[in-house]
Amino acid sequence: GDSVTQMEGPVTLSEEAFLTINCTYTATGYPSLFWYVQYPGEGLQLLLKATKADDKGSNKGFEATYRKETTSFHLEKGSVQVSDSAVYFCALSDRGDDKIIFGKGTRLHILP
Amino acid sequence: EAGVVQSPRYKIIEKKQPVAFWCNPISGHNTLYWYLQNLGQGPELLIRYENEEAVDDSQLPKDRFSAERLKGVDSTLKIQPAELGDSAVYLCASSLGLLAGGTGELFFGEGSRLTVL
Repeated sequence: GDSVTQMEGPVTLSEEAFLTINCTYTATGYPSLFWYVQYPGEGLQLLLKATKADDKGSNKGFEATYRKETTSFHLEKGSVQVSDSAVYFCALSDRGDDKIIFGKGTRLHILP
Repeated sequence: EAGVVQSPRYKIIEKKQPVAFWCNPISGHNTLYWYLQNLGQGPELLIRYENEEAVDDSQLPKDRFSAERLKGVDSTLKIQPAELGDSAVYLCASSLGLLAGGTGELFFGEGSRLTVL
């Protein structure tokens, strides 16, 4: 069945460092891909998405490119801030179906 | 616009007691989800509704869990009787689904944290 695998955390970085959180997927069709973020004490919210191969999703300085050839959707940010500390979830949705499957999440700590 | 509202935010019960969680989705969202989130894990789908119909309940432990979505709006998730292993956060989410012409983006409530003693 469909699945999402993302790098385990926690990831600890200093402020202004470069961030990469790896995510790979397995799907039978052509899924849409998402990154959701959960800030401390808050509910999950959509960070960015991409619906087809080679699409780049971006928001709040974060980017992720839908790579069909490597079945990946890695999250990147050039300069992280303390306020980026949160748990990040990679997710997919197979087309024609509203079922969303999540990875286990990666906790990110940014040190000032 | 109001977001997804869940209640209660926190619930502590003894094992074998019943518990119920309520969810009010965003107005107009036809798809409603209940997810279970254990500590350090990603959300796992329990049940998904399209309007008032449960279209995916394959992961719902039907011996003790039940859910309903009356009139295709609010939803209730019930556990009876609760077990120690049910301690987790129960998340409700809604969306205007892809099949209804939406983007498929999920909007989550803040969750209901259950502790079973």
